[in-house]
Amino acid sequence: EAGVTQFPSHSVIEKGQTVTLRCDPISGHDNLYWYRRVMGKEIKFLLHFVKESKQDESGMPNNRFLAERTGGTYSTLKVQPAELEDSGVYFCASSPVGVGANVLTFGAGSRLTVL
Amino acid sequence: DAKTTQPNSMESNEEEPVHLPCNHSTISGTDYIHWYRQLPSQGPEYVIHGLTSNVNNRMASLAIAEDRKSSTLILHRATLRDAAVYYCILRETGNQFYFGTGTSLTVIP
Repeated sequence: EAGVTQFPSHSVIEKGQTVTLRCDPISGHDNLYWYRRVMGKEIKFLLHFVKESKQDESGMPNNRFLAERTGGTYSTLKVQPAELEDSGVYFCASSPVGVGANVLTFGAGSRLTVL
Repeated sequence: DAKTTQPNSMESNEEEPVHLPCNHSTISGTDYIHWYRQLPSQGPEYVIHGLTSNVNNRMASLAIAEDRKSSTLILHRATLRDAAVYYCILRETGNQFYFGTGTSLTVIP
């Protein structure tokens, strides 16, 4: 079975530009999560989708971040405009609903560098 | 945030057992204890989880204290591929995982 796929693996942009990160969860996984680790800090929760609905977006840092999951399949996380402090690694994870919901499968992450 | 406390780093000799401790004195009755590990340049990987009873799977064992205020992840025979950062995580209701700083495990050949 294919794992969680994230694209791009690394993105380097200038401050003020826009970046869109994509996550393809495991097929059939209705739960989709975004986490991030900024430099020197812990991995932090951003938000949680169940299918196309945002279940919890309490971790989104500000309105420069927009997450979508149209059709309940892949998800995108857009940062617009990017700031220096947004640099870090963004992880996506997925799990099924019900049995197995406790076990998250993470992608390898998208490293974002804002210059 | 649900807090856990782990040593920053530990070392183990290859093929010896490793006991990774975690304190979670503020755990609530419905919090599950999860362990994930992160290898270099990869995302976190599920290891094991439990609620009250000790748990075993093909990767590791999880020993949970009777008062649930601490737990220990046990790798029965450490290999070089087990070198990673190990995170002890409490899962509160609402599906959020709170990662701490983790324990960086070094396996010595």
